[in-house]
This record gives sequence, C-alpha cells and structure tokens, in this order.
Amino acid sequence: SQQGEEDPQALSIQEGENATMNCSYKTSINNLQWYRQNSGRGLVHLILIRSNEREKHSGRLRVTLDTSKKSSSLLITASRAADTASYFCATVSNAGNNRKLIWGLGTSLAVNP
Amino acid sequence: KAGVTQTPRYLIKTRGQQVTLSCSPISGHRSVSWYQQTPGQGLQFLFEYFSETQRNKGNFPGRFSGRQFSNSRSEMNVSTLELGDSALYLCASSLHRDGEAFFGQGTRLTVV
Repeated sequence: SQQGEEDPQALSIQEGENATMNCSYKTSINNLQWYRQNSGRGLVHLILIRSNEREKHSGRLRVTLDTSKKSSSLLITASRAADTASYFCATVSNAGNNRKLIWGLGTSLAVNP
Repeated sequence: KAGVTQTPRYLIKTRGQQVTLSCSPISGHRSVSWYQQTPGQGLQFLFEYFSETQRNKGNFPGRFSGRQFSNSRSEMNVSTLELGDSALYLCASSLHRDGEAFFGQGTRLTVV
C-alpha cells in the first residue's frame, strides 16, 4: 500500500502563480523526498528533507515538513509552463531495516501559459 | 557520469511469453530498485537489490523476479506475461539505500 498520499490529485494554474502540493504519510520516517516526472519519463529527484529538518529551499522550490502532523508540502513559486509534470513524494521509514522508498500516487500539475 | 540506463526502451510481447529487462546503475551505486507504473495504480515497488542481495520485495506474484550482478547491473524478468503487465517499468539506483534515487527513462512494456 502507498505510504504517501499527495493532495490534490490534480492542479491547474496559470503561469506566474504559485503551486502548493501536500503529502501525508503514516509511519515515522527517516526522510521524505520529492520527485518530478514528465509524461512517460523517469522521475527526477527535487529535494530530500530529513526528519529533523522543518524547511528546505532549492531555487523556486520550498519544502516544509511537519512530523507531528506527518505531512509535507511542496511549494513552487512563480510557476512556468515547463513545470507541468507529476510530482511525487516518497518516504523512507526509520522502522528497523526497512529502507525502501514508499511512494504516493502523485499530484498532476498543469501550468497554463 | 552516465545516468541510469534501461534497455530496451520499448517492448511488445504476447500473452504467455516471458521478458527480461535490464538496468545499468550509475557507477558506484550499489542499490537498485525496480518499480511498475500504471495510470491506475501509480508507482508500485517491485524489489530492491543491494550488493547482489534482494533486500526488499513488493506485493507482486512470483512471475516477477530479479537479480543483481557483481557489477551492480540488474535484470528483472516477468514470466507468463498477462495483459495487465503492460506498464512502464522504472529502475532507480542510489548510493545509499535511503538516499536520493536516480531513475532511468524506463522500459515501456506492452502485452498484446
């Protein structure tokens, strides 16, 4: 079963607007990662945030992590048409020896020019 | 540094046949994971190999198997193909088992 659940499932915005996607998970984690996937292609890693971090930035991307609520958000500022893609969160559990990434179903983002 | 390479990129097979997909990880990466992606089910974990040993396995039938070689290259095999096996199969490698994963472009398998 999927650990991460992204919200919303689909998002459509205009160029220049900000896009916010959320991810909730169920178990305690070691880290949480956000990935992007263009249609039919492989996933590309965006940001990794560790369980002891609350916020991380990378260019126009801002990720927050709230371990008390077991949730994370990805904010893309000043969106561009090229940001159109699916965005996935993945968590790594800190339970025992289980180190596999567990994925959500993704948020499909459409940025309209 | 070359990225993760998956071959072939596209494949069409007939029901009942078997297929082998190949993944060459980034040099130095010892962890290789395989995923199946379909529109309805999202990204489903198949298995993970680290240093030639299967470390984790997803909830897939025994028709799905894999292996990793001493040079970290990995193969996955699906026997007795079913129509529902049509999907994009993605391979990812990482330096550490819980670190950033680098994905290949995937193999698009169509079963007819």
